[in-house]
Amino acid sequence: SAVISQKPSRDICQRGTSLTIQCQVDSQVTMMFWYRQQPGQSLTLIATANQGSEATYESGFVIDKFPISRPNLTFSTLTVSNMSPEDSSIYLCSVEAQGRGGYTFGSGTRLTVV
Amino acid sequence: GQNIDQPTEMTATEGAIVQINCTYQTSGFNGLFWYQQHAGEAPTFLSYNVLDGLEEKGRFSSFLSRSKGYSYLLLKELQMKDSASYLCAPTDSWGKLQFGAGTQVVVTP
Repeated sequence: SAVISQKPSRDICQRGTSLTIQCQVDSQVTMMFWYRQQPGQSLTLIATANQGSEATYESGFVIDKFPISRPNLTFSTLTVSNMSPEDSSIYLCSVEAQGRGGYTFGSGTRLTVV
Repeated sequence: GQNIDQPTEMTATEGAIVQINCTYQTSGFNGLFWYQQHAGEAPTFLSYNVLDGLEEKGRFSSFLSRSKGYSYLLLKELQMKDSASYLCAPTDSWGKLQFGAGTQVVVTP
């Protein structure tokens, strides 16, 4: 199955600033998914990123707050913009694994906004 | 919309069996995944069911009933390392995963 390199693994940011998270996959994939996991909670899908088109956002998430880039079939970025303490979460990217191997996740980015 | 229900926490002793139930309502359905997540780590794939019935993989088995919107994950011969959160995740017709809140399994000696 695909191997994902996600960075940074963690960061502490000042409110009002932005952070860009990168995911690099070792194989070409059609769709990449971005999730948020708030403390003590499960994963919530933010958006689906397709190469060559705008990302599709889930209810409650907007492009101005979470702009996504997908320049090619192996790479994507998620930016958390104008951060507030409520954005403190773990952010994960995910791709569909080959066959029935499920979806593979990056190791996550632990974001703390102060 | 999505509605996924699973118990918040379950406790069992080493060597025992635990069954984690999950009921779901999704707009479209394209299979159901179970994931394991240890604290501070990313989720790891356990099983996938798309047809009704039981899928067995070693100590872990998963069952699906599409007509009832029901699945369970069965963990046998529990080990201390099985202490983790177990996430039920049905996929919609677009293949997007929607995660339940997770069931925290605590394995005691």
